[in-house]
Amino acid sequence: GAVVSQHPSWVICKSGTSVKIECRSLDFQATTMFWYRQFPKQSLMLMATSNEGSKATYEQGVEKDKFLINHASLTLSTLTVTSAHPEDSSFYICSASRRGYEQYFGPGTRLTVT
Amino acid sequence: EDQVTQSPEALRLQEGESSSLNCSYTVSGLRGLFWYRQDPGKGPEFLFTLYSAGEEKEKERLKATLTKKESFLHITAPKPEDSATYLCAVQAALSSNTGKLIFGQGTTLQVKP
Repeated sequence: GAVVSQHPSWVICKSGTSVKIECRSLDFQATTMFWYRQFPKQSLMLMATSNEGSKATYEQGVEKDKFLINHASLTLSTLTVTSAHPEDSSFYICSASRRGYEQYFGPGTRLTVT
Repeated sequence: EDQVTQSPEALRLQEGESSSLNCSYTVSGLRGLFWYRQDPGKGPEFLFTLYSAGEEKEKERLKATLTKKESFLHITAPKPEDSATYLCAVQAALSSNTGKLIFGQGTTLQVKP
């Protein structure tokens, strides 16, 4: 199966600082990457969809100025949480897809904002 | 509105006790239905894709089936290591360009030895 990595796997930051999370497809070229947020005991909530070289498409209610997404290449997408606050603490998961078929997920990043 | 509903929310089985998980969906043109397994603190792991009614796929103790309204994930003689949350997701035909998935809330399976 396809392999997707995320870095870091967990991060603790202070309120007001920014945090960058990387998502890489290791063995295939991803035409589309997705970013999800997951709260405890809940399902995945799609935050945004990004295509290589294009601006990300954000879901309703997701602040595009707070959650900056860059899809620089067919194997790398980054999510930057700007001016993080404790309510941004969550489990962030990326996925990668080729040609709109099944999505392969990364292992997730646990963000804690103190 | 496109929607996915999974049942039951939680399922406890004894090792070896076979059962099924249900995923009911309402979508304007189904492009694909996906099953994922998620362990605590990890990202979902891809299991199956089903594209048309009548299609079946198997992997070890798991078998996924699809009708026009629902999908079942059958677990035969489960083992404790099958304990996880199983997620069902659909992709609508209109979302085929983006690949966007609509997820159900998941079924948390616990298999006791």
